[in-house]
Amino acid sequence: DVKVTQSSRYLVKRTGEKVFLECVQDMDHENMFWYRQDPGLGLRLIYFSYDVKMKEKGDIPEGYSVSREKKERFSLILESASTNQTSMYLCASNPRGVDYGYTFGSGTRLTVV
Amino acid sequence: GENVEQHPSTLSVQEGDSAVIKCTYSDSASNYFPWYKQELGKRPQLIIDIRSNVGEKKDQRIAVTLNKTAKHFSLHITETQPEDSAVYFCAARPPYNFNKFYFGSGTKLNVKP
Repeated sequence: DVKVTQSSRYLVKRTGEKVFLECVQDMDHENMFWYRQDPGLGLRLIYFSYDVKMKEKGDIPEGYSVSREKKERFSLILESASTNQTSMYLCASNPRGVDYGYTFGSGTRLTVV
Repeated sequence: GENVEQHPSTLSVQEGDSAVIKCTYSDSASNYFPWYKQELGKRPQLIIDIRSNVGEKKDQRIAVTLNKTAKHFSLHITETQPEDSAVYFCAARPPYNFNKFYFGSGTKLNVKP
């Protein structure tokens, strides 16, 4: 009953490449989020979206952009991948306006070489 | 914005003992506090949550307490088992920011058999 799906579990990309990470949810949630997870730093918010075509910067948006053309899909884009973007990327979603935690995707482990 | 601090960063207990993880938050408007468990290589999963109008909530061996005056909340796990070994994250949510959560840095719990 996987409800938040991230397209890749592992990715290896070269420095300077444009990288797309895809996230799809089937719960009709308004809100979607992209976090990166690094040892000792916890979960840091990159970008989030509260509606189609809407986006808001999180705490560490530099070097990233996002796209939300459909309600169920939220894409994270690394414009020009760098080695310091090697990380675990987690997508999450939740509904608007209710006390409801996130449902997370299973994560994408990105390595930039 | 909200800031959540979590302690300890690592916790090692003997099987059958209790474990307590503590979090503090800065924004007195925060009114919803979920806890997540992340097993190695897996996605974070919601294990328990508490709302600001409640002081304590229990679910079998886990419980969460909230002290609004002091702005701290804690996760209590009793009769720990090896399968409780994981990273635990606390989170706080202010009511004004699109149902976005602010996370603590995580506690790695190791339950020794």
